[in-house]
Amino acid sequence: GAVVSQHPSRVICKSGTSVKIECRSLDFQATTMFWYRQFPKKSLMLMATSNEGSKATYEQGVEKDKFLINHASLTLSTLTVTSAHPEDSSFYICSAIYTAEYSYEQYFGPGTRLTVT
Amino acid sequence: GEDVEQSLFLSVREGDSSVINCTYTDSSSTYLYWYKQEPGAGLQLLTYIFSNMDMKQDQRLTVLLNKKDKHLSLRIADTQTGDSAIYFCAESIVGGGTSYGKLTFGQGTILTVHP
Repeated sequence: GAVVSQHPSRVICKSGTSVKIECRSLDFQATTMFWYRQFPKKSLMLMATSNEGSKATYEQGVEKDKFLINHASLTLSTLTVTSAHPEDSSFYICSAIYTAEYSYEQYFGPGTRLTVT
Repeated sequence: GEDVEQSLFLSVREGDSSVINCTYTDSSSTYLYWYKQEPGAGLQLLTYIFSNMDMKQDQRLTVLLNKKDKHLSLRIADTQTGDSAIYFCAESIVGGGTSYGKLTFGQGTILTVHP
């Protein structure tokens, strides 16, 4: 299957600083990527849809000024957590849609564990 | 809106079959997915089925879809200890508009395989 990578896999930052997480589709182009957040032992919560060449679409309740998303190219989307606080500590996972004739698949990155101290 | 429900826990003995169930509410044309998540890792796509299909088989995995009852199941044959993980079913609406590609996940089923 297609491969999606994330970097970094783990990050610890101090409260008030900003952190950037990268999501890359390694062997395919993705015009649409998604960012999810997962709390311990919980399901995934969609935060936003990242569209190449246009603004991201945020889900209700997600602060767009706090979670900045940039889809710089067909293989890269970034999520920047600005002015991070301990409550932002979570597991962030991105995904990318792979489309081909007769297939429509969504592949996930390995996730980024963010800890804000 | 869409809603996806799963049972939370399943425990089986190694070598037995596992059946994980899922129900969904949206009746639009959809893709239905099964993902596996091991501790501290991302989600691994196991298989998926389009809503006009009844069954899909891929090696040890069999997906059954009852569209009338909006019920989806994943059967893992000859379950191994390495299959222990959380399994998520997810639904995606096909088509344009703001819902394109969005996945609605179930709560996840924790599968425990014991010797």
